[in-house]
Amino acid sequence: QVQLVQSGAEVKKSGASVKVSCKASGYRFTTYGIGWVRQAPGQGLEWMGWISLYNRNTKYGQHVQGRVTMTTDTSTSTAYMELRSLRSDDTAVYYCARSSGNFWTGYNWFDSWGQGTLVTVSS
Amino acid sequence: QSVLTQPPSVSGAPGQRVTISCTGSSSNIGAGYDVHWYHHLPGTAPKLLIYGNNNRPSGVPDRFSGSKSGTSASLAITGLQAEDEADYYCQSYDSSLSGYVFGTGTKVTVL
Repeated sequence: QVQLVQSGAEVKKSGASVKVSCKASGYRFTTYGIGWVRQAPGQGLEWMGWISLYNRNTKYGQHVQGRVTMTTDTSTSTAYMELRSLRSDDTAVYYCARSSGNFWTGYNWFDSWGQGTLVTVSS
Repeated sequence: QSVLTQPPSVSGAPGQRVTISCTGSSSNIGAGYDVHWYHHLPGTAPKLLIYGNNNRPSGVPDRFSGSKSGTSASLAITGLQAEDEADYYCQSYDSSLSGYVFGTGTKVTVL
């Protein structure tokens, strides 16, 4: 079955960077994309961006553009999300999710999710 | 604040039917972009309930159904059960933001 297993919780200082991993199994990795979504304490889900596992094309949300980089390692079926210049409002649970549909036509959804990674940013 | 607005909460007794609205605009739902729905218990992985406005993935009970009209979409839950108590989110694409967006989220309470 499809599984996405994320790396463990992180505690970072303001201004630092964090890199979260997401290891996929149970399907052909390069056939789908991977999206990243976060949820800050008491808030809703927020779409952060997406990466194609076929050609590594990316699209980032406006609110993290310039601070986020999404990458993949197809040899290990692992996707990564790095967020730089961390601020206190980056404290959140970060999820990776398998992306289905056609991302570039606006027809895209998330059909399997990782367990989430808590990133805490302290001053 | 999200461009897709949902009611903060809805409630119903076991066995009843509840609906959750997702109101957008001409740059997202009204532009014809599809709506997808997720069930989420905080601290756990969200679960896809509906994709492409009204399609259920394998394993999702037919108690869950989706619809879309104009600039809004709705999720209906019939035969409400205690296990349905969770947060629910809609998701679509917004051309003004050039990205995907989630709704503000709705907490469903089973009375």
